[in-house]
Amino acid sequence: AQSVTQLDSQVPVFEEAPVELRCNYSSSVSVYLFWYVQYPNQGLQLLLKYLSGSTLVESINGFEAEFNKSQTSFHLRKPSVHISDTAEYFCAVLTQGGSEKLVFGKGTKLTVNP
Amino acid sequence: DVKVTQSSRYLVKRTGEKVFLECVQDMDHENMFWYRQDPGLGLRLIYFSYDVKMKEKGDIPEGYSVSREKKERFSLILESASTNQTSMYLCASKEGNTEAFFGQGTRLTVV
Repeated sequence: AQSVTQLDSQVPVFEEAPVELRCNYSSSVSVYLFWYVQYPNQGLQLLLKYLSGSTLVESINGFEAEFNKSQTSFHLRKPSVHISDTAEYFCAVLTQGGSEKLVFGKGTKLTVNP
Repeated sequence: DVKVTQSSRYLVKRTGEKVFLECVQDMDHENMFWYRQDPGLGLRLIYFSYDVKMKEKGDIPEGYSVSREKKERFSLILESASTNQTSMYLCASKEGNTEAFFGQGTRLTVV
């Protein structure tokens, strides 16, 4: 069975600093990978996804993530964060050709301080 | 845009009550899900439905049941609510090998 580990439960940073939220997965088969963002008292919104092709994927608001098959990682990065990026971020995995179920990590709370 | 709508944003129920959480999606997706979200535990899958009247238990089905009589609607039922079911409940739908779309969540408090 697949699993997802988000190594940091909380990440505090200052505005305009770079940030990396780490995600590692475990699966015996090929996977699709996703990052979701959740603002307070809201549902989850898709931030970016890796399905195939280029291993570097980008979102419209400056986040990027790189799929690293050898290290089974899909870390999320942003070179300069804003106060509005304060949210909880979830990494998720879906196995190719397997169950339709997404498996989620436990989440990382990103707090951007002025 | 895909829309997943949960009938309530906030609910307060008494211990022992039967509780219905409703979810409707408008994109004809085959698959629908109910997750429970608790601090430090992330999202845990309660039940999953891959077709009308078809369901599969997730990781934490105890104390819950589901109903999918129509493709667009997936209901989560708490047969006899207990305080340990106080949580945020998230409904999602998806089709094929791509992302799931989530509703806004229902924050349930059982007193």
